[in-house]
Amino acid sequence: GENVEQHPSTLSVQEGDSAVIKCTYSDSASNYFPWYKQELGKRPQLIIDIRSNVGEKKDQRIAVTLNKTAKHFSLHITETQPEDSAVYFCAASKGATGNQFYFGTGTSLTVIP
Amino acid sequence: GAVVSQHPSRVICKSGTSVKIECRSLDFQATTMFWYRQFPKQSLMLMATSNEGSKATYEQGVEKDKFLINHASLTLSTLTVTSAHPEDSSFYICSAPPPSRYGYTFGSGTRLTVV
Repeated sequence: GENVEQHPSTLSVQEGDSAVIKCTYSDSASNYFPWYKQELGKRPQLIIDIRSNVGEKKDQRIAVTLNKTAKHFSLHITETQPEDSAVYFCAASKGATGNQFYFGTGTSLTVIP
Repeated sequence: GAVVSQHPSRVICKSGTSVKIECRSLDFQATTMFWYRQFPKQSLMLMATSNEGSKATYEQGVEKDKFLINHASLTLSTLTVTSAHPEDSSFYICSAPPPSRYGYTFGSGTRLTVV
């Protein structure tokens, strides 16, 4: 089955700095990689996703990069703000619909004002 | 669109009792529902996959007789924690793949506390 590893487990940055979270996956058949933000006690919210036919995707301050050969993908948050503080999960799946997600272990991001 | 409603949001039950958690897809038909469990400060772990009209598929290590899953309709899947024990206390959350390009939608989660 798929194994998704995520690093770091905790990350603290100063407001305005960038934050980078990295994930690796094991199953080369995985082709859909979403990132979720989860605030305490709430449901995960999709913030960005990328498919295996794309190397990079950006949405305002958030970007995701994918290296299929190395089987790793990363989340980049620029100009961080205190409201970015949350737990972020990466996931891998064979397709965006119909198949389960395999989640990384999560990264607790703290943005220090 | 693509909303999954999950109830209850919080439940406290006595050890040995059963608790039912419901997930409803409000504006789409969910032929598949995934059930996850999340312990404090840990990731979401897939427990089982329910498919409408057929038996659920359980992940290794998950007791199917303890976590009963029913997916009787295209809009409703239920998870029943039977004979709950304190170690079953966790955050349970469902997720369904909607017919859209935006990927999965999660329910709001159920915080189960067994005392």
